[in-house]
Amino acid sequence: DAGVIQSPRHEVTEMGQEVTLRCKPISGHDYLFWYRQTMMRGLELLIYFNNNVPIDDSGMPEDRFSAKMPNASFSTLKIQPSEPRDSAVYFCASSLDVGAEQYFGPGTRLTVT
Amino acid sequence: RKEVEQDPGPFNVPEGATVAFNCTYSNSASQSFFWYRQDCRKEPKLLMSVYSSGNEDGRFTAQLNRASQYISLLIRDSKLSDSATYLCVVNSNSGYALNFGKGTSLLVTP
Repeated sequence: DAGVIQSPRHEVTEMGQEVTLRCKPISGHDYLFWYRQTMMRGLELLIYFNNNVPIDDSGMPEDRFSAKMPNASFSTLKIQPSEPRDSAVYFCASSLDVGAEQYFGPGTRLTVT
Repeated sequence: RKEVEQDPGPFNVPEGATVAFNCTYSNSASQSFFWYRQDCRKEPKLLMSVYSSGNEDGRFTAQLNRASQYISLLIRDSKLSDSATYLCVVNSNSGYALNFGKGTSLLVTP
């Protein structure tokens, strides 16, 4: 079975550019989570969806960040405009149920110069 | 107070040693507990769930102490391949999303 799929795996962009990260959750998982990981702050939850509906976006740092889930098999996280402090690894994860174990994608390593 | 706290380490142990990590959590109503493992530059992966009665998976034993609000992970007969960061995970105040600790780094040396 395919796990969580993320693309791109690496992204290098210049400050001010728009960045779009993509995620395909495991089929049948109703919950999808976006995380950001840095050395300083560890793994931070940005937003999560249940059945394609955003449930909690309190972790989204600011208006420059937005996330969508147009259908059960696809989600995007967009940063516009990007800034150097957005450099991090962004993970997508999915799960079957509330409080259940989450399965992570390989991550997107974002560098903003 | 942070919701999930771990000693960041690093724990440096020789092969064959037994090592234990503890993790404390702040929400007494938490119901789900896990240990995840994260290798360098990789995604976190589920190591094991933690059940109230404690559970074992090969060389790994997880314990939950609800009264003191901590969970532990014991690794026996450490292998070089056990070198990784171990993340303590607890469900959040909302009862929905999981809270990840910052992790404890383990280095097993020959």
